[in-house]
Amino acid sequence: GNSVTQMEGPVTLSEEAFLTINCTYTATGYPSLFWYVQYPGEGLQLLLKATKADDKGSNKGFEATYRKETTSFHLEKGSVQVSDSAVYFCAPRGSGYSTLTFGKGTMLLVSP
Amino acid sequence: ETGVTQTPRHLVMGMTNKKSLKCEQHLGHNAMYWYKQSAKKPLELMFVYNFKEQTENNSVPSRFSPECPNSSHLFLHLHTLQPEDSALYLCASSQGLGRDEQYFGPGTRLTVT
Repeated sequence: GNSVTQMEGPVTLSEEAFLTINCTYTATGYPSLFWYVQYPGEGLQLLLKATKADDKGSNKGFEATYRKETTSFHLEKGSVQVSDSAVYFCAPRGSGYSTLTFGKGTMLLVSP
Repeated sequence: ETGVTQTPRHLVMGMTNKKSLKCEQHLGHNAMYWYKQSAKKPLELMFVYNFKEQTENNSVPSRFSPECPNSSHLFLHLHTLQPEDSALYLCASSQGLGRDEQYFGPGTRLTVT
């Protein structure tokens, strides 16, 4: 089955710092890869996705590149803001009609 | 209303109670999902419905009983729960099964006393 490993949180940064949240996965076939974000008191929202090797997903200044050779999909942002404080989930989805597999999530705390 | 809504947002129930969680999606989607989110554990997929038919049940105890009367509504009926069932229950929907982005509701925070 599919699985995902995310770095343990919380990740604590100052505003404008560089962010990396690591994610490695195992999945059947040729998975699509997703990052979801959960702001306090809300459900999950899709942040970005990549559907094939070497694709780069990007949104709101966040980026992640689908690395098939290292089975990784690390999330990066050049300059974080206080409003980026949230829990981030990496989620692979195997090929075909398989559903998403979520990691434990990584909490990001950004201070002014 | 837009997106995916869930009611109630908070629920406290005793172990002998019976209650129901409701999810409604206003997106015209055909697939709906129940997830359980517990502290320090990965998000757990519980049930999947596609065109009102259950397609996945991830070994969920029978004290959780889902119902999908149509593609827009999903219920989770609860009875004789245990304290370890306390969690955030999230509903999601997608246009199709598996291939599309899932849209999540805000969740119901359940506390079993």
